[in-house]
Amino acid sequence: SQKIEQNSEALNIQEGKTATLTCNYTNYSPAYLQWYRQDPGRGPVFLLLIRENEKEKRKERLKVTFDTTLKQSLFHITASQPADSATYLCALGDGNQFYFGTGTSLTVIP
Amino acid sequence: DSGVTQTPKHLITATGQRVTLRCSPRSGDLSVYWYQQSLDQGLQFLIQYYNGEERAKGNILERFSAQQFPDLHSELNLSSLELGDSALYFCASSVGSVIHNEQFFGPGTRLTVL
Repeated sequence: SQKIEQNSEALNIQEGKTATLTCNYTNYSPAYLQWYRQDPGRGPVFLLLIRENEKEKRKERLKVTFDTTLKQSLFHITASQPADSATYLCALGDGNQFYFGTGTSLTVIP
Repeated sequence: DSGVTQTPKHLITATGQRVTLRCSPRSGDLSVYWYQQSLDQGLQFLIQYYNGEERAKGNILERFSAQQFPDLHSELNLSSLELGDSALYFCASSVGSVIHNEQFFGPGTRLTVL
């Protein structure tokens, strides 16, 4: 079955620095990969979708890369702010199911 | 606010009981998805409905069932509840039927089984 792994440990970074989160997957070759943000007790919020033929995608301070050879996606937040503190989830679908990673908790320290 | 509504916000019940969770998708969205989120399992996809028909199925237990009504709202029925069913249940919606469409999540229903 599909397995998605994200940084298991929480990530703490200083305000203004770039946060880099990792998403690795096995047993599948998805055509799309998504990133969501989740705040405690709330539903995930969609951030970005990247297609397999897109190496990189940007949206404001966010950047996502997608390496289908390594089976890995990297999620970057540049010029991080305390308001970026949340759990970030990667997700992919295979047409029949939708899988979320376990998420990486990010804390941006002022 | 995503535009997806879920009721109730909280539900406390006993083992063996049956509950119904309700979801109204965003206006114009035809797909509804149900997820279960627990501390040890993360966010697990349960089932997707598109325009009233079951579209995709995840790790949904036989004790659980769902349906989508003609007005596109959806209900998730959980029966013979066990302690392990305690979790946050999220509903999400999207415009199309393709499962990798951007999904808009509701605020969730927190279910506690005592």
